[in-house]
Amino acid sequence: KNQVEQSPQSLIILEGKNCTLQCNYTVSPFSNLRWYKQDTGRGPVSLTIMTFSENTKSNGRYTATLDADTKQSSLHITASQLSDSASYICVVSDFTGGGNKLTFGTGTQLKVEL
Amino acid sequence: EPEVTQTPSHQVTQMGQEVILRCVPISNHLYFYWYRQILGQKVEFLVSFYNNEISEKSEIFDDQFSVERPDGSNFTLKIRSTKLEDSAMYFCASSEALRASANYGYTFGSGTRLTVV
Repeated sequence: KNQVEQSPQSLIILEGKNCTLQCNYTVSPFSNLRWYKQDTGRGPVSLTIMTFSENTKSNGRYTATLDADTKQSSLHITASQLSDSASYICVVSDFTGGGNKLTFGTGTQLKVEL
Repeated sequence: EPEVTQTPSHQVTQMGQEVILRCVPISNHLYFYWYRQILGQKVEFLVSFYNNEISEKSEIFDDQFSVERPDGSNFTLKIRSTKLEDSAMYFCASSEALRASANYGYTFGSGTRLTVV
């Protein structure tokens, strides 16, 4: 069964600090790995998308890494802002011909404080 | 930027009633999806739809659920006889035709919060 595990479950950091979120997955056949940001009561918003051949992808203050051999990914957030407070979800896609079915992790709840 | 639009944003219904959740996917997308998120839990795949038929569905998507693309723009999820455990946030999503796309565009709507009482 396809699974995506994330750590930590929750994290509190001070504004301006950096943090790194972790993701491990067992999804087959692997198509791509995405990191989403989800505000409470809202739909997930894509931050980065990586295929198996990509090791790193940046989007502003967000940098994602992927090790397809160990099936691990990380999301690094630099110079955090209060608006970064949200759930960060690692999502892995498999492609079986029926479209991109996404398997979601449980997310890391990030809170940025003054 | 193109958006996936979902209506209503919040629906309250009595147990046993039928509900229809509506979605307008991005116009040039060809794959359509429904996901749900029970409060406090992770987002779960329900169904994918391509070329006017279901291409894949999860164990959650039983006979009480159906999807339809009644015209060229809308994509609906129907729950025939709602149960208390159907209370959740339902997200619609659409994506481009993957074989022709280099960026795997996949966009979620803002969701419909369904409350079954």
